[in-house]
Amino acid sequence: DTGVSQDPRHKITKRGQNVTFRCDPISEHNRLYWYRQTLGQGPEFLTYFQNEAQLEKSRLLSDRFSAERPKGSFSTLEIQRTEQGDSAMYLCASSPGRKTEAFFGQGTRLTVV
Amino acid sequence: GESVGLHLPTLSVQEGDNSIINCAYSNSASDYFIWYKQESGKGPQFIIDIRSNMDKRQGQRVTVLLNKTVKHLSLQIAATQPGDSAVYFCAETFNAAGNKLTFGGGTRVLVKP
Repeated sequence: DTGVSQDPRHKITKRGQNVTFRCDPISEHNRLYWYRQTLGQGPEFLTYFQNEAQLEKSRLLSDRFSAERPKGSFSTLEIQRTEQGDSAMYLCASSPGRKTEAFFGQGTRLTVV
Repeated sequence: GESVGLHLPTLSVQEGDNSIINCAYSNSASDYFIWYKQESGKGPQFIIDIRSNMDKRQGQRVTVLLNKTVKHLSLQIAATQPGDSAVYFCAETFNAAGNKLTFGGGTRVLVKP
């Protein structure tokens, strides 16, 4: 499968714990995006990378959230001190350039209990 | 702020009939639009896109219409099939947004046999 891959698919964690998600984009796609989606809503932009550079972060991305793309390939999204409000689907997408279609992964469903 | 929205939250359609999903956008600077299909538990799947220099684009069984005058986007699905049952999102971006997509809230399409 050469699509966008996300791991894990599901994560249940206790409030206050840290979690980390991984995204492997389509090979050679230089743009990588993280979105968050809650039930019944469209995805909301969190942050994006062009190669290893993080070019934009949404106001939704509080200081408990951090994302990295160290070698311009895979990316990680870490949430520290998780809160119940962090429960959502976290989606990763990649695209080969500007104003081209973004391909999404299957997402990581986070449940904070 | 600028946003993309949908008129109908749920659309029920008889198998074989045509479906029309509507979307209004408010950012006059938007110049690239995408329709995504999302099935339960999966990430958004690209359907079709259109750039602002076009007013119509056709794919396989799908047509996207763009009316920049009234900032309206629609997706037409011909001969709707049970496999078309999903939530459909329109998304938009503009030149300075780095392909960051702004999504609407989604329309659920239910295909009745």
